[in-house]
Amino acid sequence: KNQVEQSPQSLIILEGKNCTLQCNYTVSPFSNLRWYKQDTGRGPVSLTIMTFSENTKSNGRYTATLDADTKQSSLHITASQLSDSASYICVVSHPMFSGGYNKLIFGAGTRLAVHP
Amino acid sequence: GAVVSQHPSWVICKSGTSVKIECRSLDFQATTMFWYRQFPKQSLMLMATSNEGSKATYEQGVEKDKFLINHASLTLSTLTVTSAHPEDSSFYICSVIQTGGSSPLHFGNGTRLTVT
Repeated sequence: KNQVEQSPQSLIILEGKNCTLQCNYTVSPFSNLRWYKQDTGRGPVSLTIMTFSENTKSNGRYTATLDADTKQSSLHITASQLSDSASYICVVSHPMFSGGYNKLIFGAGTRLAVHP
Repeated sequence: GAVVSQHPSWVICKSGTSVKIECRSLDFQATTMFWYRQFPKQSLMLMATSNEGSKATYEQGVEKDKFLINHASLTLSTLTVTSAHPEDSSFYICSVIQTGGSSPLHFGNGTRLTVT
């Protein structure tokens, strides 16, 4: 079964600290893996997208890694800010051979709270 | 700027009434749009795939007569929640695939529906 599991479910850190969020998936085959940030009451916003051959990708203070062999990904946030408080969702894109488009498999997300 | 516009951002309605939610692709034509539902502290669940000029494809367990989808143009899809009940209260989000693309990338900002 194609699944995406994230850990931890929630995390509290102090402003300025770093943190790493984990994502394990069983989706196969997969086209790409994305990390999204979702603020409360808002739609998800893309942070990074990685294909099978990419190991790491950065977007400012966000750095995502991908190990396609072990089917694991991580999102590292450096020097956290209060505005980083949000849910971070790992999404794996699964090719659908009927329909011509890829289906997104969503993780449940990690709720990050950054405290002053 | 926003790539996908969703309207309204929130709506409160009485049981038994119908509510229409709009999803507009602002920057490009979208042959395919997706509608998701998100309950508090849970991940996005795909409800249906909206195809311009043809019938929508609904996920298992989603009532097509209750959640009416119309994709009348390449930039607009609508979701109508008919005869709404309190259990329909949720956060509804759309996403779009750019024509020629294979993966939905951009999400709307969501619509918070509360049925009283």
